[in-house]
Amino acid sequence: GAVVSQHPSRVICKSGTSVKIECRSLDFQATTMFWYRQFPKQSLMLMATSNEGSKATYEQGVEKDKFLINHASLTLSTLTVTSAHPEDSSFYICSAPKGPNQPQHFGDGTRLSIL
Amino acid sequence: KQEVTQIPAALSVPEGENLVLNCSFTDSAIYNLQWFRQDPGKGLTSLLLIQSSQREQTSGRLNASLDKSSGRSTLYIAASQPGDSATYLCAVRGNTPLVFGKGTRLSVIA
Repeated sequence: GAVVSQHPSRVICKSGTSVKIECRSLDFQATTMFWYRQFPKQSLMLMATSNEGSKATYEQGVEKDKFLINHASLTLSTLTVTSAHPEDSSFYICSAPKGPNQPQHFGDGTRLSIL
Repeated sequence: KQEVTQIPAALSVPEGENLVLNCSFTDSAIYNLQWFRQDPGKGLTSLLLIQSSQREQTSGRLNASLDKSSGRSTLYIAASQPGDSATYLCAVRGNTPLVFGKGTRLSVIA
């Protein structure tokens, strides 16, 4: 069964709306979670590393004020796309490793469409 | 900077064929390599994880090999089935989080 749960699976909203995506580890504690973005027919690109109890680490070119990450507990990380615009439309997917030498598990992703 | 390349980008085979998907990476200093399956519009399903000290891993009809020194991995699928149709992604983990290739889109024709 799934070990990482992501919600919602699909969001369609107007430009200017802020959208929150949740990522939960179901049967393990994750001090670190990763947020990726995937454009059509492209690979997954790491956006940021979410660290429990501290600030997220953002990849180059990712606006931290645009993509707010909160990792308030050992099982939950949230990504908020603030004031979303059509160019933010994409497939967002989170991931959490169970351990350093364990497979990295992924949520089912969130399809975000900004009109 | 680690770069991962997957060849071919797309592959179409008749049902029952054995096939090989290729993955190469530029920095051989990796901890592990993972193969994933992604169905259209869905998340990723982990298929196989190979640690840097390992040469191969097997799960059912899937066999993945790793040659760390040459920066290559292959995913072998035996007796392919229409249900195997999906995009297969290779990803490596080193000192950075997972770095992904662009994937191979596989179509198995009944």
